[in-house]
Formats: sequence, structure tokens, C-alpha cells
Amino acid sequence: AQSVSQHNHHVILSEAASLELGCNYSYGGTVNLFWYVQYPGQHLQLLLKYFSGDPLVKGIKGFEAEFIKSKFSFNLRKPSVQWSDTAEYFCAVGDASKIIFGSGTRLSIRP
Amino acid sequence: DSGVTQTPKHLITATGQRVTLRCSPRSGDLSVYWYQQSLDQGLQFLIQYYNGEERAKGNILERFSAQQFPDLHSELNLSSLELGDSALYFCASSVKGATQYFGPGTRLTVL
Repeated sequence: AQSVSQHNHHVILSEAASLELGCNYSYGGTVNLFWYVQYPGQHLQLLLKYFSGDPLVKGIKGFEAEFIKSKFSFNLRKPSVQWSDTAEYFCAVGDASKIIFGSGTRLSIRP
Repeated sequence: DSGVTQTPKHLITATGQRVTLRCSPRSGDLSVYWYQQSLDQGLQFLIQYYNGEERAKGNILERFSAQQFPDLHSELNLSSLELGDSALYFCASSVKGATQYFGPGTRLTVL
């Protein structure tokens, strides 16, 4: 069955702390992987995506993610978070017809 | 701004009523996707249209229907509304491949 798991439901960090959000997936066939961010009261925005090639993907706002095929993982990282990173983060896996989203991780940053 | 537009932004209606949500995809995008986001269910894929034809179906209730018109805009029709249908409804579009760009959403409140 196709699924995406985000094990951390709510993460609380202080400003300047490093961030890693976990994402594991189960999906048959060619995998396209995404991280989306949803700031409070806003729509989902694409942070970064992986289709093929270099498994370390750089996205906007200093975020990056690493695709580890053997672990079926696509974890999101940022070396130093800011208060403005407060948002909900969704990992997703899909193809041209649909994307399956994880349940999301709420990130709260203490100023 | 993703280039995907949705109207209306907010909708308040009563149980048993019918509403129509509208989505205009990014210029050149042929695929339109509809999602429902609620606190208890998270982000759920409802349905996808590609160039006017239904391409994929997710957890869409029989009371809900959608269509995509020749100008590529799409409408999501929700009928016999129940309290539990209160949610954010997002539309997304893509030209080809899996990257989807999300609109700002319509917040539906059923009283």
C-alpha cells in the first residue's frame, strides 16, 4: 500500500537550532518526493522536490532534504531555524496522477 | 503567489445545502487536483482532472462531484452538506509530471 509517514507531529525548537523532520514512505514504482510548507493561514507551497539524480536536494529558504533509497526516507533539514519557519510541513510522494501526503509536522519556533 | 486562483475565499452555508467551488489553474497547466484539509482527516486527495477528463479519484464522497471545463477551470460541487464537510478545500494544478502548485483555498463552514 502507498503511504507516507511523518513520525513527528509537533516539533518545538529555539531559534538558531538545527532542524530535521523525518519522512518515510511506501510506494511502488518510480518515486517522486516532495516537501511542502503551509504557513499559518496560507496555502501549501513547494519547498523542494526530488525526481532523480543527486539525492541531496536543496530547496528554498535554506531547506534541504536527502533521499535515502535503502531507508525509504526523505528527511528535511535546515541548519539554523528562524521564527519565520513556524509552519506545518508536509512530506509527499507521488506521480503524475496524484500525490499522497503525510499527516504533517507542526513546527513551532521559540523566539 | 502560485498562479492558481480559487473562489470564493470563504463560504458559510447551512446543512443540506449545495455549493460550488471554483478553481483556475496556472496558465498552461492541464491538470487540476482537488484536496480537502480538515483537522481530523488531514490533507485528503479528492479528484484529478486532466484536460477535461477525470484522471484519478481519491476519497471523494458521492455527494461531491467535479468537472473541468474547456477553458481548463474546474468546479467542485458539494451537495447535501453536513457539518463534517466544514474544511479547507484546495485546488492544485500541474502542467506535466508530478509537481503540483496549490491555490489559496476555500474555507467552507457548514452551520
